[in-house]
Amino acid sequence: AQKVTQAQTEISVVEKEDVTLDCVYETRDTTYYLFWYKQPPSGELVFLIRRNSFDEQNEISGRYSWNFQKSTSSFNFTITASQVVDSAVYFCALRIDFGNEKLTFGTGTRLTIIP
Amino acid sequence: DTEVTQTPKHLVMGMTNKKSLKCEQHMGHRAMYWYKQKAKKPPELMFVYSYEKLSINESVPSRFSPECPNSSLLNLHLHALQPEDSALYLCASSQLTGGEKLFFGSGTQLSVL
Repeated sequence: AQKVTQAQTEISVVEKEDVTLDCVYETRDTTYYLFWYKQPPSGELVFLIRRNSFDEQNEISGRYSWNFQKSTSSFNFTITASQVVDSAVYFCALRIDFGNEKLTFGTGTRLTIIP
Repeated sequence: DTEVTQTPKHLVMGMTNKKSLKCEQHMGHRAMYWYKQKAKKPPELMFVYSYEKLSINESVPSRFSPECPNSSLLNLHLHALQPEDSALYLCASSQLTGGEKLFFGSGTQLSVL
């Protein structure tokens, strides 16, 4: 069975500070995919990134960066120079390859950026 | 067009009512999903359709009845719901390969009185 843990329930930071959201996952499968989704107050889950289990390269997209470490089963997400528009609930999720379409979500981290 | 459209956005219904939630996508995706999300909780999978056939039912009560009339549409028929069924119902779609990302709609906020 798969499991995703987001230990940080809520985080508040002042605007322009950097913030890291933690994600730890568990799976016995060797081929899997990790995701981050953002859920603003409007409710829609917005896709941010997908990484497969064979690609441990870190990725940067603007102010967002992701650190994937298989050795610690972690896929952490950092927002640099945070902005008020970053306020949302962020979900880390795991999906194994083939034969199982289920996306397993973590419990989410509510991020509040204080102006 | 990378949208998943859900209607209605809000729905209030009594426990004896029958209503339907609708979801539409035009991305050519062959997998469609219903998720239920309670406040301050992650989305929970309810149903998965692959090629318009039900492939996963996560032991959802029969008062929820999904329907996939064609590859672009997904409905969720509601009957005799309970107040604890009040939640945000999210529809999603994806390509069928295991690692593909899901595209989500903005959901229907359902209140059962």
